[in-house]
Amino acid sequence: NAGVTQTPKFQVLKTGQSMTLQCAQDMNHNSMYWYRQDPGMGLRLIYYSASEGTTDKGEVPNGYNVSRLNKREFSLRLESAAPSQTSVYFCASSELAGWGNSPLHFGNGTRLTVT
Amino acid sequence: KQEVTQIPAALSVPEGENLVLNCSFTDSAIYNLQWFRQDPGKGLTSLLLIQSSQREQTSGRLNASLDKSSGRSTLYIAASQPGDSATYLCAVRLGSSASKIIFGSGTRLSIRP
Repeated sequence: NAGVTQTPKFQVLKTGQSMTLQCAQDMNHNSMYWYRQDPGMGLRLIYYSASEGTTDKGEVPNGYNVSRLNKREFSLRLESAAPSQTSVYFCASSELAGWGNSPLHFGNGTRLTVT
Repeated sequence: KQEVTQIPAALSVPEGENLVLNCSFTDSAIYNLQWFRQDPGKGLTSLLLIQSSQREQTSGRLNASLDKSSGRSTLYIAASQPGDSATYLCAVRLGSSASKIIFGSGTRLSIRP
């Protein structure tokens, strides 16, 4: 049972380069999320998709775009990477968003460094 | 604005001790609260989820309590083991919207053999 799978695990970019972080879940969950984790700041929500076909901004969406490709996959794109986007990125999913009482399941993260 | 605080940031205890991790939140109008474990270089693993109508949840050696009126939750770990060493995070959900989940910064727990 793979759960939530993120690729790549590590990435180094130069300022101005673009890339897409991939996320897939095999639990038939409706909701998917992208977070970033920075030292001492907790996890902050970048974008989320409450259900297939919808996406919404979270707390820190600037510099990012997302695509909910289908129910399984939710990608995060950095169009022009900046050093401030150096972070660990986590994808998560949950069965239900609207009712709220379903636990979050996380992938193992992508460690991104922008030089 | 809801804030979630976990103090201390780091804790080291000898193996076998019972211990309590703390989570405080400023707005008592929460939907639920979730405790996670994060191992180095890994993602978060959900340990316990407490709904707003509940007072506590138990799973094995773990017991999480919730007191909304005082804005506090505790995670009790009984008979700690070196394998319990990890960072423990709490997160509160403010409503049914997918976006309203606020995470604490975590407590890094080290169990000394």
